[in-house]
This record gives sequence, structure tokens and C-alpha cells, in this order.
Amino acid sequence: EAQVTQNPRYLITVTGKKLTVTCSQNMNHEYMSWYRQDPGLGLRQIYYSMNVEVTDKGDVPEGYKVSRKEKRNFPLILESPSPNQTSLYFCASSESAPQETQYFGPGTRLLVL
Amino acid sequence: GQQLNQSPQSMFIQEGEDVSMNCTSSSIFNTWLWYKQDPGEGPVLLIALYKAGELTSNGRLTAQFGITRKDSFLNISASIPSDVGIYFCAGQLGTGNQFYFGTGTSLTVIP
Repeated sequence: EAQVTQNPRYLITVTGKKLTVTCSQNMNHEYMSWYRQDPGLGLRQIYYSMNVEVTDKGDVPEGYKVSRKEKRNFPLILESPSPNQTSLYFCASSESAPQETQYFGPGTRLLVL
Repeated sequence: GQQLNQSPQSMFIQEGEDVSMNCTSSSIFNTWLWYKQDPGEGPVLLIALYKAGELTSNGRLTAQFGITRKDSFLNISASIPSDVGIYFCAGQLGTGNQFYFGTGTSLTVIP
């Protein structure tokens, strides 16, 4: 089954404790992206990747890192999480570009205390 | 960052009614897409628009790419309970690969 998976689905952590949210897709898609969703603000793009080893900043990249060492995986790294990064995070992928159909993962709900 | 403003923010309608929502921006967009998010899930693409003035339908849904390229509209006819969810417009500015989502319209359908 074609899908985007994220782990963990829920995470509670404390300020400053490094964490990684994994994202994997099995559709051989080139484009992958991370978004955060906050009430009243919709989804905002954090980082995106056009292909392996090619990543670029989205609208709200501060406090986040990503890597794209393999085509299928696009982890999101929070080196020193802060409470303002409490949010619902979505990973998405599309065949080659963002204006094509993006397939979203189930979301990761993060609480930073 | 870029802001895509959607209105209304929320709607409560009776089953069978038609629904209209729109999305506006201060910048020109090259593509407009409409996504729907069911509770507890990620967004799913409904309709994609690639040319100014384009009008596209998907079942009971119809969307239009505004002539000015700064807005888009989504209409749902004869709403049913499964239309409940949050509707997002989204788009791409220029030829870049950054992608923007609107603030969302929450739809509640009362049976």
C-alpha cells in the first residue's frame, strides 16, 4: 500500500532535549516536505527536499534541521526543542514537485514542556 | 512569510445546502490547490488548478483559479455529513518549490 509513515505519532518532551521525528515514503517520490499545523495558522512549510541530498528552507525553518540521505526517508530534527515548537507536524511527499498531489503522513503531535 | 487568507473561518450548514469558500493572497500564485483534512488525519488533495481562469470540478466540488491569480474559490453543492472537515487552499509562488497553505475553513454539516 502506497503510504507516508511518521514516527512517533505522539511525543511529550522537555525543553532542550534533542529529538527526531522520522518520515518514510514507499512511492519513490522525489519531493518531500515537513509542515507544522497550528490553530488559526493553517499548515506552514518547515523544510522541503527536491531529491537526495537536496534540501531547502520553507517558511518557518528556525529551530529545525532535516536530512535526505536516502530517497525514502526525510527525518525532522529538533536539536534543542522549545515550547513554541509544540505543534502538530506532517510529513508529505509528491512525485517530483509540490504542485502535484502531495500525500500526507498521519501526523505527529509534539508537546514540549 | 506568505499569508493565504481563507474565509469564512468556519461554517455551520444544514445537510443539502451549497457551500462557498474562498482564498486570497497579496501575491500572485502560479498554482492553486484545495485540500481537505478529516479529523485526526493528514490533508488529502481535492482539486488542482494550474491556469488563471480555470474552472475544475470533482463530483460535487467545483473550484476556480481567479483571473488576478491572487485568489481561488471552492464550491460544494448539496452538502452531506461526510463533507465535515477543514478545507485548505494551497499554492506555489512563482517557479519556486516552496509551498504555502491557507489558514483553513472548518465546515460542519448538520444532518
